[in-house]
Amino acid sequence: GAGVSQSPRYKVAKRGQDVALRCDPISGHVSLFWYQQALGQGPEFLTYFQNEAQLDKSGLPSDRFFAERPEGSVSTLKIQRTQQEDSAVYLCASSLHRGGVGTEAFFGQGTRLTVV
Amino acid sequence: KNEVEQSPQNLTAQEGEFITINCSYSVGISALHWLQQHPGGGIVSLFMLSSGKKKHGRLIATINIQEKHSSLHITASHPRDSAVYICAVGGGSQGNLIFGKGTKLSVKP
Repeated sequence: GAGVSQSPRYKVAKRGQDVALRCDPISGHVSLFWYQQALGQGPEFLTYFQNEAQLDKSGLPSDRFFAERPEGSVSTLKIQRTQQEDSAVYLCASSLHRGGVGTEAFFGQGTRLTVV
Repeated sequence: KNEVEQSPQNLTAQEGEFITINCSYSVGISALHWLQQHPGGGIVSLFMLSSGKKKHGRLIATINIQEKHSSLHITASHPRDSAVYICAVGGGSQGNLIFGKGTKLSVKP
């Protein structure tokens, strides 16, 4: 596709429900990042994939958060037993090359998760 | 203390004014990004720079690596420039970004 696509755009979940957020990166992009953005804050790093390998998951806040990218393209961020503090915008970004601080990242529109 | 600090947090300007948003960081980097985020949440990359200055239309970004400081300037501001502007630096070993909290800009007609 022309850009990074995330779905759904909005998700309302009841506390305790499991949710799955999808990210379609730009075709051919090696690197994929997930970020969490709380209201009024800057995004914070969750996890990073290089192709299908999850090389860094240090930002995942708890073991309720799980991400995968099985074929090195589409990625899914899963949150189990959602809590109210999980309410945030979840952003996905992809970049052409293998990580590297000088690599331009392209962002999706984000998924706004509200846990009620 | 946050690793990336932006100022001001909020900025209101009249159409046509020259705007400056500042970013200071405390980590070692080799690239800094300026991003624009509209109310819908989507983020657009404006600049990625590692030294000197870049210009794109009415936007100018500068960086001083020695002082660990960058500025984003908007000339002849317009209401459509209203958005949150975020500074981000390449910080993680895998190239993930560390973000500032953003500067919310509102340009009044």
